[in-house]
Amino acid sequence: TQLLEQSPQFLSIQEGENLTVYCNSSSVFSSLQWYRQEPGEGPVLLVTVVTGGEVKKLKRLTFQFGDARKDSSLHITAAQPGDTGLYLCAGPPNSGYALNFGKGTSLLVTP
Amino acid sequence: NAGVTQTPKFQVLKTGQSMTLQCAQDMNHEYMSWYRQDPGMGLRLIHYSVGAGITDQGEVPNGYNVSRSTTEDFPLRLLSAAPSQTSVYFCASSYSGTSGYEQYFGPGTRLTVT
Repeated sequence: TQLLEQSPQFLSIQEGENLTVYCNSSSVFSSLQWYRQEPGEGPVLLVTVVTGGEVKKLKRLTFQFGDARKDSSLHITAAQPGDTGLYLCAGPPNSGYALNFGKGTSLLVTP
Repeated sequence: NAGVTQTPKFQVLKTGQSMTLQCAQDMNHEYMSWYRQDPGMGLRLIHYSVGAGITDQGEVPNGYNVSRSTTEDFPLRLLSAAPSQTSVYFCASSYSGTSGYEQYFGPGTRLTVT
């Protein structure tokens, strides 16, 4: 099993602060996905990073895939209460279909 | 498009009862999956299907059955509910054209077994 470890597990910050969450593995992934899950809803795909060293930006969110394709980070600039949610990373297996999911980082942004 | 729909949204069962959680997608995706989400455990794959008539077990299949008679529908059956099956259940679909089986999730079914 290709495990994905996410850190921190919980993060509580005030509106306007910057933050970074991490997704790490000892295994190489062909790509990594980031999802956001709001309370009472299903996860929603934010981005997929495919190339080692790749950086993708989605408004105030910046996603980076490590050069060795074993890790990824999500940086949020000037966090807003609407960013509150559970952030999950996931990666496809080397064979088969079952995605490997990390346990997530729960983010709370207070006004 | 409605995307992935799940019914019911909430359900309470007594131990030993059986029920079926419904899942449907209108995106013509080949792949469909069922996950359960528990505090501290993350998303765990129960069963999945790579096409109509083809299903396979995931990480935690015991106590659950699935079938896939059409591309659109992928119901999950609880055979004899147990308190350990109290969880939030998500259905998801995917297609082979994505970078790595990117999942489109339904809104979830919150199940309590007493």
